[in-house]
Formats: sequence, C-alpha cells, structure tokens
Amino acid sequence: EAQVTQNPRYLITVTGKKLTVTCSQNMNHEYMSWYRQDPGLGLRQIYYSMNVEVTDKGDVPEGYKVSRKEKRNFPLILESPSPNQTSLYFCASSSSGNEETQYFGPGTRLLVL
Amino acid sequence: LAKTTQPISMDSYEGQEVNITCSHNNIATNDYITWYQQFPSQGPRFIIQGYKTKVTNEVASLFIPADRKSSTLSLPRVSLSDTAVYYCLVAPSNDYKLSFGAGTTVTVRA
Repeated sequence: EAQVTQNPRYLITVTGKKLTVTCSQNMNHEYMSWYRQDPGLGLRQIYYSMNVEVTDKGDVPEGYKVSRKEKRNFPLILESPSPNQTSLYFCASSSSGNEETQYFGPGTRLLVL
Repeated sequence: LAKTTQPISMDSYEGQEVNITCSHNNIATNDYITWYQQFPSQGPRFIIQGYKTKVTNEVASLFIPADRKSSTLSLPRVSLSDTAVYYCLVAPSNDYKLSFGAGTTVTVRA
C-alpha cells in the first residue's frame, strides 16, 4: 500500500532533550516536506526537500533540522526542543514537486514540557 | 508565492450545496489551484485540482473564472461526514515552497 509513515505518533518530552521524528514514503517520491499545525494557524511548512541531499527552509524553520540521505526517508530533528514547539507535525511527499498532489502522513503529536 | 485568502469558517446543513471561495490575486501564469480536505487528527488529502474553467470529479467541482484570481470549491449535497477543514493551495511554479494557510472549517449539521 502506497503510504507515508511517521514515528512516533505521540511523544511527550522535556525541554532540551533532543528528539527525532521519522518520516518514510514507499512511493519513490522526490519531494518531501514537514509541516506543523497549530490552532488558528493552519499548516505551516518547516522544511522541504526536492531530492536526496537537497533541502531548503520553509516558512518556520527555526529550531528544526532535517536531512535527506535516502530518497524514502526525511527525518525531522529537534536538537533542543522548547515548549513553543508543542504541535501536531505532518510529513508529506509528492512525485516530483510542490505542484503535484501531496500525500500526507498520519501526524505526530508532540508535547514539550 | 501566491497568497490565498479564504473564509475562516462556514456552516451548512445536510443535503445543501457548500461553496467555498478562495482569493489568489497574484497567481502566476503557470500556477495550478489545488484543494485539500482535512479531518480531525488526520493529514490533509487531495480533493481536486484545476487550472482554468471548471473541473469536476466524484467528490467536488472547482470553478475558476477567466482571470484566475479566485476559485470556488463546490461540495454538492453535503453530509455530516463532510465536516472538515478545506485548504486552497496555489503551488508556485518558480518556487518549491508550499503555503497552506489556515483553511476553511466547514461544519455540516443535521
């Protein structure tokens, strides 16, 4: 089944403790991206990747890192999480670019204490 | 990056038609318009995409006037299960960023 998977689905952590949220797609998609969703603010893009080893900042990249060493994986790294990064995170992928249909993962709900 | 503006919320009743208009005044010549639907605690999913005039599929219709500065998503005969957030998206052809905005929360009542 074609899908985007994220792990973990739920995470509670404390300020400053590094964490990684994994994202994987099995559709051989080139474009992948991360979003955070907060009440009243909709979906905001954090980082995106056009292909392996090619990443760039979205609208809200501060406090986040990403890497794209393999085509299928696009992990989101929070080196020193803070409470304002408490949010619902979505990973998405598309075949070739941002104009193509975006396929979203199920989401990761993060709480930073 | 074409900025989109859409209503924050809309209410409707079962069986009615719901029309959501999105404004995108600075849309570029090669940009497409895409609409997504998001249920609570799920990721958004594609509904429909268009470039001009009218596009229809089994879920919705998309109307785009000649100047392409706006578009209207039409949901025919909504049911309770159509309660969701709907996003209008204009993906720029000269940039890889995507901005979904806040979307329109549609609430369908019995």
